[in-house]
Amino acid sequence: DAKTTQPPSMDCAEGRAANLPCNHSTISGNEYVYWYRQIHSQGPQYIIHGLKNNETNEMASLIITEDRKSSTLILPHATLRDTAVYYCIVGGGADGLTFGKGTHLIIQP
Amino acid sequence: DAGVIQSPRHEVTEMGQEVTLRCKPISGHDYLFWYRQTMMRGLELLIYFNNNVPIDDSGMPEDRFSAKMPNASFSTLKIQPSEPRDSAVYFCASSFMTGKSQYFGPGTRLLVL
Repeated sequence: DAKTTQPPSMDCAEGRAANLPCNHSTISGNEYVYWYRQIHSQGPQYIIHGLKNNETNEMASLIITEDRKSSTLILPHATLRDTAVYYCIVGGGADGLTFGKGTHLIIQP
Repeated sequence: DAGVIQSPRHEVTEMGQEVTLRCKPISGHDYLFWYRQTMMRGLELLIYFNNNVPIDDSGMPEDRFSAKMPNASFSTLKIQPSEPRDSAVYFCASSFMTGKSQYFGPGTRLLVL
């Protein structure tokens, strides 16, 4: 079973920030938090990952709570092309990824 | 870099036939992963390699499935004999070092009739 809990779906208006939550209350000290997304009919795409500190790259920001039991992926200015299933995954890094059901994010025009 | 390359992109075969899926990882990556995606089960890890050596094949569904990585730039996933329940999208991914991102190929859409 996946170690994360995500809402099954979310809507966001185009141009707004999309904030995707993830609970991972059983995460262990050496496990990373990864975010991937899958646009329809494509392979999953890496977005960002972090261990303890907040992270930012050209695609998104990752906010991890101090107790590391939850995190939020932020897409600062969502576009229609950001419509996808977003997966929050915890893992040690060397292993394969265990995907849950993810959050289906729909960006509304 | 061209990214992870998979072939064929689509495969339609009849039950009982042998199917071979191919993957070329990103140059320099030392981890290679095979995943399967179905509507019912979602994305599942089948097997992964490190430096061409299989590390964990616990996700391989049964003996009909086998995977090899003869060198750092090529891997195959073989199904023999194929069954209709093997119909799925098969993804290959590669990564460099631990704790790093995995890069997925476009997938092979397999339909077994």
